[in-house]
Amino acid sequence: DTAVSQTPKYLVTQMGNDKSIKCEQNLGHDTMYWYKQDSKKFLKIMFSYNNKELIINETVPNRFSPKSPDKAHLNLHINSLELGDSAVYFCASSQPGGGSETQYFGPGTRLLVL
Amino acid sequence: AQKITQTQPGMFVQEKEAVTLDCTYDTSDPSYGLFWYKQPSSGEMIFLIYQGSYDQQNATEGRYSLNFQKARKSANLVISASQLGDSAMYFCAMRDFTSNAGKSTFGDGTTLTVKP
Repeated sequence: DTAVSQTPKYLVTQMGNDKSIKCEQNLGHDTMYWYKQDSKKFLKIMFSYNNKELIINETVPNRFSPKSPDKAHLNLHINSLELGDSAVYFCASSQPGGGSETQYFGPGTRLLVL
Repeated sequence: AQKITQTQPGMFVQEKEAVTLDCTYDTSDPSYGLFWYKQPSSGEMIFLIYQGSYDQQNATEGRYSLNFQKARKSANLVISASQLGDSAMYFCAMRDFTSNAGKSTFGDGTTLTVKP
């Protein structure tokens, strides 16, 4: 059973297009995240949702809009894609309180903007 | 603000030997957690080990152990009996539990290469 899944795994698109990445977790966690890993492997948090509510919104362009229809899903929509958006995007989830709050990551979505 | 520093961009180790990957951190929160993740060339992020700031003993998980020195704010990962499959990038991360809304910060990573 896949704990945190993302679709698609690879995404190649043209500049200016709009695209979405979907994330689902079956761990029963309340908190979900989006991270961006650039070409130098630096990993930075973008957003975090707890029970469908936005709790972390780092300095991310408005072209990026997360949506959480329920606590098991956190999708990322990107408008007007730019070359600099090319990266690997990771979804993660964790359970807050009462323990380590370890984050479990999805397999990543490799986005290439041409 | 929380900060994680991994000073070793790359490390080499001979198969079957032990290796230590360095991690230092900075935070003003008394309650925090420290994590290590492994990212092989296939790209997934694999959770390895966790240490809580109030844990009295160093965390261990199989061949992984965390050398936690609270006063020095260091949380080094020790891999014993290295295997070829340990070749990967390793990330240290921390999370404040009473501030920062649960935000985790990751270090820049250390690339470990295990030589046969």
